[in-house]
Amino acid sequence: GAVVSQHPSRVICKSGTSVKIECRSLDFQATTMFWYRQFPKQSLMLMATSNEGSKATYEQGVEKDKFLINHASLTLSTLTVTSAHPEDSSFYICSARFGGLSAEAFFGQGTRLTVV
Amino acid sequence: AQSVTQPDIHITVSEGASLELRCNYSYGATPYLFWYVQSPGQGLQLLLKYFSGDTLVQGIKGFEAEFKRSQSSFNLRKPSVHWSDAAEYFCAVGSMEYGNKLVFGAGTILRVKS
Repeated sequence: GAVVSQHPSRVICKSGTSVKIECRSLDFQATTMFWYRQFPKQSLMLMATSNEGSKATYEQGVEKDKFLINHASLTLSTLTVTSAHPEDSSFYICSARFGGLSAEAFFGQGTRLTVV
Repeated sequence: AQSVTQPDIHITVSEGASLELRCNYSYGATPYLFWYVQSPGQGLQLLLKYFSGDTLVQGIKGFEAEFKRSQSSFNLRKPSVHWSDAAEYFCAVGSMEYGNKLVFGAGTILRVKS
């Protein structure tokens, strides 16, 4: 199947700094990318949906100024956690898809963010 | 609002035994249904999906799932579990009515005992 690479896999940062997470579709063009947050023993919570070349659509309750999403090309989307705080510590997962809902979505391996 | 329920947080089965993981959804429109598996250190992998047609769908690794509209369920089954099936399994639902996005259940952790 197609490959989605997410980098870094783990990151530790100090409170107040910003962290950028990259999501790349390696062998296909992703018209849509999704960013999820997964809390321990809980499900994936969709944070935002981004389409190439347009602004991301954020889910209710997600601060768009805190979680900046850029989908500059058909193979790359980035999530920047700005002014990170310990409560932002979580597992972040990206997903990429070429096409609509019936198309398969491929997932990155996830990024474990720890804010100290 | 759309929601997905996986009532079992953990399930333990013996190797070679049959498996059924439950998934119930709440949706107003015709759902698109998926099962994903997540192994430690790896991304979610699609096992199977249902959009329309035959309500019994076959997936990879010997898994199958049956869509039952009357019960709003999409349970995942496997007739004989292998130790390598130990992982976390997520049911997900999407609908054109709610945009091109998926809502995930809380997941079921499968343990396989030898």
